Amino acid sequence: EAQVTQNPRYLITVTGKKLTVTCSQNMNHEYMSWYRQDPGLGLRQIYYSMNVEVTDKGDVPEGYKVSRKEKRNFPLILESPSPNQTSLYFCASSWSGPKSEFFGPGTRLTVL
Amino acid sequence: GESVGLHLPTLSVQEGDNSIINCAYSNSASDYFIWYKQESGKGPQFIIDIRSNMDKRQGQRVTVLLNKTVKHLSLQIAATQPGDSAVYFCAESPYGGSQGNLIFGKGTKLSVKP
Repeated sequence: EAQVTQNPRYLITVTGKKLTVTCSQNMNHEYMSWYRQDPGLGLRQIYYSMNVEVTDKGDVPEGYKVSRKEKRNFPLILESPSPNQTSLYFCASSWSGPKSEFFGPGTRLTVL
Repeated sequence: GESVGLHLPTLSVQEGDNSIINCAYSNSASDYFIWYKQESGKGPQFIIDIRSNMDKRQGQRVTVLLNKTVKHLSLQIAATQPGDSAVYFCAESPYGGSQGNLIFGKGTKLSVKP
């Protein structure tokens, strides 16, 4: 089944404790992207990747890092999480950018 | 769970009627646009896209209209069904589609009355 998977689905952590949210797609898509969704602010793009080893900033990249060492995986790294990064995070992929055709199920992150 | 539909414009329609959801975009350079649907508790789903060299594109029960003059996009849903109840977002590619940036609108909540 074609899908985008994210792990974990739910995470509660504390300020400053590094964490990684994984994203994986099984469709051999070149484009992958991370978004956060907050009430009243909608979806905002954090980072995207047009292909392996090619990443670029979206609208709200501060406090986040990404890597794209292989085509199927696009992890989102929070080196020192802060409470303002409490949000619902979505990973997405598509054959080419910026379509974001397939979304993952979301990761709900709470930073205390 | 937390609702992404809080404080959003709401469109309420009767089952079987047609729905029109509107979106104004901001960047004149945007040349690629997408509509997404998000049901409660789920991730967004791609519905339909359109490039700026087109004024209209049709899918299954959906039509997207693009008016570049006034920077306006609309999504028409024919014969709206209860399963269409969701939040609908438009998105624009602000750099002419050559890069991977995507900017989303705030969304409109569609409520279908049986």
